[in-house]
Amino acid sequence: RKEVEQDPGPFNVPEGATVAFNCTYSNSASQSFFWYRQDCRKEPKLLMSVYSSGNEDGRFTAQLNRASQYISLLIRDSKLSDSATYLCVVKSGGSYIPTFGRGTSLIVHP
Amino acid sequence: DADVTQTPRNRITKTGKRIMLECSQTKGHDRMYWYRQDPGLGLRLIYYSFDVKDINKGEISDGYSVSRQAQAKFSLSLESAIPNQTALYFCATSDPTSSYEQYFGPGTRLTVT
Repeated sequence: RKEVEQDPGPFNVPEGATVAFNCTYSNSASQSFFWYRQDCRKEPKLLMSVYSSGNEDGRFTAQLNRASQYISLLIRDSKLSDSATYLCVVKSGGSYIPTFGRGTSLIVHP
Repeated sequence: DADVTQTPRNRITKTGKRIMLECSQTKGHDRMYWYRQDPGLGLRLIYYSFDVKDINKGEISDGYSVSRQAQAKFSLSLESAIPNQTALYFCATSDPTSSYEQYFGPGTRLTVT
């Protein structure tokens, strides 16, 4: 089983839709969790950290489920500009190196 | 100005040639990384360095070498380029006091013919 797994998609949604992605991780000792956004042929950029209590930033909500070992990203009222690949990133306590998922592609259409 | 810069941004080279990709950062971070990205495979770690005297192999270091010339500079070399090293290469930095967030350079698109 891969350490960090994501559904590659693509998720095709209309503007205004709500869409959610999940990311599962295999190492129960994982401590830090992040969502990054990557536009086509650009560098990944941090979208948000994921805290145990969950966190929200405008239309974006990230949640952590330690019991089932997954994190989620919810995007409400999707915009065309949300079209991108969303990378899940996990760091375990015993490693200095974060592990990147392969990403989930989102396409928001008019 | 960008905090993490990479040169060149695009490069086409021939099989067997030696090539160096350079990365510079102004963030003052000790930790630097080199990744490659291939379609469908995500980001894979090549090498990383936690300070000037520290160099570590990542999951796919074969065929690559690195040099940490200073805190701000981390170079990746392909000693004898081969076509399956055609990929998008990213340099990144991180500060361990900042939740391990990574800051990426704009990438170098390398094509080996």
